[in-house]
Amino acid sequence: GAVVSQHPSRVICKSGTSVKIECRSLDFQATTMFWYRQFPKQSLMLMATSNEGSKATYEQGVEKDKFLINHASLTLSTLTVTSAHPEDSSFYICSARDPLLAGTDTQYFGPGTRLTVL
Amino acid sequence: KQEVTQIPAALSVPEGENLVLNCSFTDSAIYNLQWFRQDPGKGLTSLLLIQSSQREQTSGRLNASLDKSSGRSTLYIAASQPGDSATYLCAVPNSGNTPLVFGKGTRLSVIA
Repeated sequence: GAVVSQHPSRVICKSGTSVKIECRSLDFQATTMFWYRQFPKQSLMLMATSNEGSKATYEQGVEKDKFLINHASLTLSTLTVTSAHPEDSSFYICSARDPLLAGTDTQYFGPGTRLTVL
Repeated sequence: KQEVTQIPAALSVPEGENLVLNCSFTDSAIYNLQWFRQDPGKGLTSLLLIQSSQREQTSGRLNASLDKSSGRSTLYIAASQPGDSATYLCAVPNSGNTPLVFGKGTRLSVIA
């Protein structure tokens, strides 16, 4: 099946620094990737939709200037948390669909990135 | 706006029991419904995907049903094992290209 990777799997940073998280589709090309966030004991909430070659679409309440998304190629989307603060500490997960797998709408999820901001 | 609810929030059963997890959604115009498993601190593992035209899907000891008109899905786990302990998430998109809306999950503990 299709594989999505994320890097890093875990990151600890100081308040005020920026952190970049990568999401890669390893064996397929993804024109659209999704970024989700999961706070402890909560479900996944969509942050933004990342479209290759165009601007990301952000969900209401998600600051686009704080969470920068770049989808420069068909296999890579990056999420940069700028000027991170402790309240940004969360589990960030990306997903992607393989548009060539006709007849299936399965989203393939990355393993997630645990961000802890001190 | 689509909302997904999962009941119960947590469930503890002895090994070997059959169990049912429930999922409901407010907008029946769904394209499909997926069940995922999430282990603590880990990502998601897709278990079953049911297309809107289907009534159920089976994989091993797992069986998921879908009643679109009533906005409900169930995940049946037969002969539960300690390794089944995890959080089970139900999710739906509204159409093929839209992202998923997740329930809060059911945290399952299977006691040996």
